[in-house]
Amino acid sequence: DGGITQSPKYLFRKEGQNVTLSCEQNLNHDAMYWYRQDPGQGLRLIYYSQIVNDFQKGDIAEGYSVSREKKESFPLTVTSAQKNPTAFYLCASRETGGGQPQHFGDGTRLSIL
Amino acid sequence: AQSVAQPEDQVNVAEGNPLTVKCTYSVSGNPYLFWYVQYPNRGLQFLLKYITGDNLVKGSYGFEAEFNKSQTSFHLKKPSALVSDSALYFCAVRDLDSNYQLIWGAGTKLIIKP
Repeated sequence: DGGITQSPKYLFRKEGQNVTLSCEQNLNHDAMYWYRQDPGQGLRLIYYSQIVNDFQKGDIAEGYSVSREKKESFPLTVTSAQKNPTAFYLCASRETGGGQPQHFGDGTRLSIL
Repeated sequence: AQSVAQPEDQVNVAEGNPLTVKCTYSVSGNPYLFWYVQYPNRGLQFLLKYITGDNLVKGSYGFEAEFNKSQTSFHLKKPSALVSDSALYFCAVRDLDSNYQLIWGAGTKLIIKP
């Protein structure tokens, strides 16, 4: 079945450590997205990519980095510069076309040790 | 500025009763509107969308939504609620000013009581 796979499901970060969240899709979608979800809040866009080897900052990109070397993969690195990384991180992808919906993975929950 | 609002943090409905989850929007052009559902510790699932055409849109799991241009609303509805409908619901509108990203509402927690 086609879909979006996020791993790991749970991740713990130590002080000063960078961690990388994986997002893989086999839907052949060009566009991919990373969101952060905090309790009681909606989704906030971290980074997005509309094509391989290109990506743009979203609303809260500080302390995060991404790469898009392959169409299927869009990993997110939470750097030590992100002082409050505890959140639920969601990856999504979308077909090209203004009316196409985004499809989501099942998320990674990141916590501070 | 474009925006979307979900005025209710939580909606409580008895099983078998009709349910409505409200969404209002503000966009400069023709809106592309979406509803998603999220179950605990899961990603969002797409329910339905309005692009153009009939104002009543039917989606997954028996949900439907009514687009009302004059009231700038896109309320989610279901004729008979199930306990399994209990979840977090998000409304979103396409942002015409920002590379067609989605602007998300804050979410509405729907609780269906047996």
